[in-house]
Amino acid sequence: AQRVTQPEKLLSVFKGAPVELKCNYSYSGSPELFWYVQYSRQRLQLLLRHISRESIKGFTADLNKGETSFHLKKPFAQEEDSAMYYCALSPNGANNLFFGTGTRLTVIP
Amino acid sequence: SAVISQKPSRDICQRGTSLTIQCQVDSQVTMMFWYRQQPGQSLTLIATANQGSEATYESGFVIDKFPISRPNLTFSTLTVSNMSPEDSSIYLCSTEVYTEAFFGQGTRLTVV
Repeated sequence: AQRVTQPEKLLSVFKGAPVELKCNYSYSGSPELFWYVQYSRQRLQLLLRHISRESIKGFTADLNKGETSFHLKKPFAQEEDSAMYYCALSPNGANNLFFGTGTRLTVIP
Repeated sequence: SAVISQKPSRDICQRGTSLTIQCQVDSQVTMMFWYRQQPGQSLTLIATANQGSEATYESGFVIDKFPISRPNLTFSTLTVSNMSPEDSSIYLCSTEVYTEAFFGQGTRLTVV
């Protein structure tokens, strides 16, 4: 069965500091991995997906199949990065998303 | 992309009653999804709704408790039936466009 684990419920960093939100997954096949973000008073939205290999808002995430991880990183955190971040797995595209419990990131000015 | 309008945004309901949540998409979409997020928990898929067919429910969810309608390609409803305090959650509808999921604003349900 698939499972997504985000070990940190809360994470606080100072503005300008590097940030890493951890995500580990378990799945027997080759899933697609996503990071979704929910800013205050906004709806859940896609931040990035591993197949795109892109950087969004300075964030990157590399899929490490050996460690079954998909950690989200940003070298210099900004105050506007404060939000709830969810790692999600899909066996077959965006259908049937399996979410982690989320990490609330707070960037301290 | 897709914009989903979901309502109500929140409600407080008496146990034993039912609540219907509506989602309207600004474009025609094949599949719509309903999720539940219980306090402190992750989002859990309840069911997938295709137009013209019965919804497909995930393990642990049944049609009698969460009946779903999908009358056309832009609209869906989820009913939470015979509610108990354990049904207090955030309910989200979602759709997919080119493998990207788009979500409604969510419905925060409190059962008293």
